[in-house]
Amino acid sequence: GENVEQHPSTLSVQEGDSAVIKCTYSDSASNYFPWYKQELGKRPQLIIDIRSNVGEKKDQRIAVTLNKTAKHFSLHITETQPEDSAVYFCAANPTGRRALTFGSGTRLQVQP
Amino acid sequence: GAGVSQSPSNKVTEKGKDVELRCDPISGHTALYWYRQSLGQGLEFLIYFQGNSAPDKSGLPSDRFSAERTGGSVSTLTIQRTQQEDSAVYLCASSRPGALNTEAFFGQGTRLTVV
Repeated sequence: GENVEQHPSTLSVQEGDSAVIKCTYSDSASNYFPWYKQELGKRPQLIIDIRSNVGEKKDQRIAVTLNKTAKHFSLHITETQPEDSAVYFCAANPTGRRALTFGSGTRLQVQP
Repeated sequence: GAGVSQSPSNKVTEKGKDVELRCDPISGHTALYWYRQSLGQGLEFLIYFQGNSAPDKSGLPSDRFSAERTGGSVSTLTIQRTQQEDSAVYLCASSRPGALNTEAFFGQGTRLTVV
């Protein structure tokens, strides 16, 4: 089955700096890669996703890149703000399987 | 409802007792998923429902865990003879019908503590 590795497990940045979180996946049939943000005590919420037919997607301060050959994808957050502090999860979905396989999460702390 | 609703929000139970966790998905969402999140860990897949059937129950950790869904809506996750290692947040999610690879909307979760 699919295996998703996520790094780093924790990340601390200064407000205004950029943050990058990386994930690798094992199943070359995966074609959908969402990122979820989970604030303390709250539910995970989708912030951005990418499908395998594109290499990059942007939405304001966040972007995701996908390298299908290397089987890795990354989340980029620019001009970080304290409200970006949360746990971020990457996920992958192999073709033909409905349920997402999640990474272990990255705790991002943005220092004001 | 406006979102995925789970109950109870918190449950403390004694080791060996059975518990039932409820999930009410977004109206019209035919796909429903249960995940488990242990402290500081990622989301571990348990079971997926499409309508009332469960085509993927590969993540259930033991035969003490079972789930059902009725009327294509509410789902119940049952844990029998609870153990301390069952302590975790149990999250339910649903997604709309149609093509694969659509957003999964999560509930707030049920925090289960086995003492």
